[in-house]
Amino acid sequence: AQKITQTQPGMFVQEKEAVTLDCTYDTSDPSYGLFWYKQPSSGEMIFLIYQGSYDQQNATEGRYSLNFQKARKSANLVISASQLGDSAMYFCAMRENGGYQKVTFGTGTKLQVIP
Amino acid sequence: NAGVMQNPRHLVRRRGQEARLRCSPMKGHSHVYWYRQLPEEGLKFMVYLQKENIIDESGMPKERFSAEFPKEGPSILRIQQVVRGDSAAYFCASSPGLAGSNEQFFGPGTRLTVL
Repeated sequence: AQKITQTQPGMFVQEKEAVTLDCTYDTSDPSYGLFWYKQPSSGEMIFLIYQGSYDQQNATEGRYSLNFQKARKSANLVISASQLGDSAMYFCAMRENGGYQKVTFGTGTKLQVIP
Repeated sequence: NAGVMQNPRHLVRRRGQEARLRCSPMKGHSHVYWYRQLPEEGLKFMVYLQKENIIDESGMPKERFSAEFPKEGPSILRIQQVVRGDSAAYFCASSPGLAGSNEQFFGPGTRLTVL
């Protein structure tokens, strides 16, 4: 079974609008962490945001917020006020704390911001 | 404070040759992870190392691939007798390994092309 599922291979959003990138996960470990990374066309992996399984509040970092719904096992990334520079691949990832910090990645969503 | 460094950034090898990929973790980080990203796919965990120890190599192919993280010097991912299917981006990440540390810091990747 897939541990991390990203069902949207590609998304378009108008500049200045908000966009939600979906991510669902599967784990039996009660303690885990969820990440989002951005990979622009230049190829580097840029850390965006982190959510711990015991965190009471949804994580936020500037224009990024993570909509964490534990019962549904979903960890959607919301990008507000999209900018052209947000065009990139976005990867959802999970670290299960019983797994030596090994991080499992989803297949990614390609976001394109339209001017 | 320099980030994770990987070299070379691009590596071209002919089938049957050896590829050696280097990763210098961030200063103060003693944990290194190697991931492989095939074209149009997400990152796949390969191996997790601490200084002089392989902690988890569950993602490493059983043959031709090896990794080390010596007491002095960078971590090395070695691929012997490369084949075309080894063409991919290889990312290294490091973390301080402290309890509660949430992030793995990624290097820029090495793009291996096998002719």
